Amino acid sequence: DTGVSQDPRHKITKRGQNVTFRCDPISEHNRLYWYRQTLGQGPEFLTYFQNEAQLEKSRLLSDRFSAERPKGSFSTLEIQRTEQGDSAMYLCASSHLPGTAYGYTFGSGTRLTVV
Amino acid sequence: AQKITQTQPGMFVQEKEAVTLDCTYDTSDQSYGLFWYKQPSSGEMIFLIYQGSYDEQNATEGRYSLNFQKARKSANLVISASQLGDSAMYFCAMREGPQGGSEKLVFGKGTKLTVNP
Repeated sequence: DTGVSQDPRHKITKRGQNVTFRCDPISEHNRLYWYRQTLGQGPEFLTYFQNEAQLEKSRLLSDRFSAERPKGSFSTLEIQRTEQGDSAMYLCASSHLPGTAYGYTFGSGTRLTVV
Repeated sequence: AQKITQTQPGMFVQEKEAVTLDCTYDTSDQSYGLFWYKQPSSGEMIFLIYQGSYDEQNATEGRYSLNFQKARKSANLVISASQLGDSAMYFCAMREGPQGGSEKLVFGKGTKLTVNP
């Protein structure tokens, strides 16, 4: 078990392009979360999956954002028609028992820069 | 209204001394959890310590302890015997959302800790 993996670590894209990020959670974790962290801020919740079902989405997740978790394993987060305001670190976390102390494990994040 | 408030944008401490990072929270739930994470410049969020709202004892994990004052809604992190490697951003977070539901984390804005040799 190598923890939560995110790919790529860094992405630079031109405004208007589409980008996709991948998150591989810890294999036995059935819950998966996406967070966004802008410069100087703490992470903000974007969306949550339990197995393959997307059960909650933040209002921060505009129509240009879509997330999937086929088969309840890895997840992808796609941003269409990127804007400069999308520049941020995108963090993925997974959990099995989130109510406990060790419930959440974060990946190292994907840092997106939109130029 | 902010649910997690960290009032110290930056803190400095001498190596081997103790430091306290402040965190206050706002919730009307009886059951909640409070977390502290460390984020080095590399970006990953490293779990440090957890306090459940019903825990009567303050949580401790090695050099980290959490000073939990429920009536004041504060959950300060105390780092003893600071090391140079402790220099990082520190985030306080609260678990919110229905139990069995999303149980997402709400984060504060963080405190940048610098340990001086």
